[in-house]
Amino acid sequence: AQTVTQSQPEMSVQEAETVTLSCTYDTSESDYYLFWYKQPPSRQMILVIRQEAYKQQNATENRFSVNFQKAAKSFSLKISDSQLGDAAMYFCAYKGPQGGSEKLVFGKGTKLTVNP
Amino acid sequence: SAVISQKPSRDICQRGTSLTIQCQVDSQVTMMFWYRQQPGQSLTLIATANQGSEATYESGFVIDKFPISRPNLTFSTLTVSNMSPEDSSIYLCSISGGGNEQFFGPGTRLTVL
Repeated sequence: AQTVTQSQPEMSVQEAETVTLSCTYDTSESDYYLFWYKQPPSRQMILVIRQEAYKQQNATENRFSVNFQKAAKSFSLKISDSQLGDAAMYFCAYKGPQGGSEKLVFGKGTKLTVNP
Repeated sequence: SAVISQKPSRDICQRGTSLTIQCQVDSQVTMMFWYRQQPGQSLTLIATANQGSEATYESGFVIDKFPISRPNLTFSTLTVSNMSPEDSSIYLCSISGGGNEQFFGPGTRLTVL
């Protein structure tokens, strides 16, 4: 079964600085999808960024970027110029190949604190 | 993207009772999903609900405890039956996006006393 591991239960960053959240996963598939979701205290799950395994180029969305290392099964999230509104739980998630299970498998999450 | 709403947003219930959570989407979707997030934990898929067929449950979840309805392409309900304090969780519905991602509703926070 696929598993997703987030080894950092909590992280903190100073406003305007950069922080990297770690995620590793285990799968025997070659085609799959990876996501980072943000959950602020409002509990709404918000999609931050997505990465297709077949793409070598790392995904970027404004201040958010990923470092996708397929061979190492690593998928870290970098937040640049951190803002107070970035404070939230961040969950890494995995989905298997197109046409297979639609299930998202989530890591346990990393709580990010942004200090002013 | 689609707008997803859930009712109720939160509830406090007595043990032994049941609660039905509604999930409404403003567009037609094939697949809807129900997740549970226990306090301080990650999300776990309960079941996948397709319109016109019975829901598919994940290991550890059974229909008697979590019956699901999917009467049309914009609506689904999840019932938490015969509740115990261990059922206190956030329950979230989601839909598939076009890029294999899922989009989530705002969640229902359930507390069982």
